[in-house]
Amino acid sequence: GQNIDQPTEMTATEGAIVQINCTYQTSGFNGLFWYQQHAGEAPTFLSYNVLDGLEEKGRFSSFLSRSKGYSYLLLKELQMKDSASYLCAVLDSNYQLIWGAGTKLIIKP
Amino acid sequence: DGGITQSPKYLFRKEGQNVTLSCEQNLNHDAMYWYRQDPGQGLRLIYYSQIVNDFQKGDIAEGYSVSREKKESFPLTVTSAQKNPTAFYLCASRGLAGDTGELFFGEGSRLTVL
Repeated sequence: GQNIDQPTEMTATEGAIVQINCTYQTSGFNGLFWYQQHAGEAPTFLSYNVLDGLEEKGRFSSFLSRSKGYSYLLLKELQMKDSASYLCAVLDSNYQLIWGAGTKLIIKP
Repeated sequence: DGGITQSPKYLFRKEGQNVTLSCEQNLNHDAMYWYRQDPGQGLRLIYYSQIVNDFQKGDIAEGYSVSREKKESFPLTVTSAQKNPTAFYLCASRGLAGDTGELFFGEGSRLTVL
């Protein structure tokens, strides 16, 4: 079966750095997405990785290792508004998105 | 501006009633999706459509129905056969040709059964 694993919840301090991991086992791979979702709102797109390596976009970076079935989202200079759930999703061989359950990130002052 | 519009944002339903959630997009996307999200959970696929007049069941299609008569529209009906319909419903779309596959979401519809 297809599976995506993320930690359920993480806590970090304002101004610090946090890394949210995602491991996957899917039938085929056509890219990995990270979305941010604030409580009661729709997910918003953060990043897309299809090749190995690090993609940097402002305070957020996303890393992919296809051989290890592993990705992480790195958030720097954390702000209170970064408190949200972070969803990892993989595009499989049929170009269908397989979703992880999400990681709830709590930022403390 | 291009985007996806869901309505209503909040909906209350009595047990035994059918309700229909609207989803319209003007992004010229081929594929449209309906997801259900329960508190603290990830997204679960209800139905999807990649072309007009065709749609496929997702992981939790029982108790739901859809139609795709126009490219822009993909309404979801929550029928009385759905035993636990209280949830947050998200509609999404994406292009299929030469696209990264990024999903664009509507704002969501929160359904509560009284």
